[in-house]
Amino acid sequence: DSGVTQTPKHLITATGQRVTLRCSPRSGDLSVYWYQQSLDQGLQFLIQYYNGEERAKGNILERFSAQQFPDLHSELNLSSLELGDSALYFCASNSWGITGSGANVLTFGAGSRLTVL
Amino acid sequence: GNSVTQMEGPVTLSEEAFLTINCTYTATGYPSLFWYVQYPGEGLQLLLKATKADDKGSNKGFEATYRKETTSFHLEKGSVQVSDSAVYFCALWPWDTGRRALTFGSGTRLQVQP
Repeated sequence: DSGVTQTPKHLITATGQRVTLRCSPRSGDLSVYWYQQSLDQGLQFLIQYYNGEERAKGNILERFSAQQFPDLHSELNLSSLELGDSALYFCASNSWGITGSGANVLTFGAGSRLTVL
Repeated sequence: GNSVTQMEGPVTLSEEAFLTINCTYTATGYPSLFWYVQYPGEGLQLLLKATKADDKGSNKGFEATYRKETTSFHLEKGSVQVSDSAVYFCALWPWDTGRRALTFGSGTRLQVQP
């Protein structure tokens, strides 16, 4: 158990629908990162939050949004789902945030597998 | 921008064989370099890391040396086991103060046969 908790583990939905993926970071970690893992795109960085604020944005579609709450858990909202959104969505956390220097180690959750039919 | 290139898989080896998975990177300055491993049905786990040139990261018999001159961070293991079968990802953390997140390579699947 990495200490990063993601729910749900599996989710099957239809095109056009909206889903919410949830992540609880490791205890003491202030930063949360979201990644998408698909067969054709590999592991793509989506977005990062640090202590409730958005700090970095990657290849996140406009149909996707995220937030980090005061208790530090984060949610990734995916709307107007398309077949191509089917993927594993990983959450990761660390304790450095953007002010950390040196190596930054991310601890990953087990992922949420989204299937869009 | 930053990028990581890994050798394509799958790599199929017999137990006790020598393993090399090549990884090269493109980045400014002095990024930190990582190898992560993903076992079937699981998330990514840190395998080893190196933060500066000529550093050697090691863990569980795996090693990788940060080579600035060749911008490489090849993963090696002297004798693989069936339990090493997994997908291995090379990654970098940028040195500059821009977008600070791990950039991953495409992953290399390793299959070890008994």
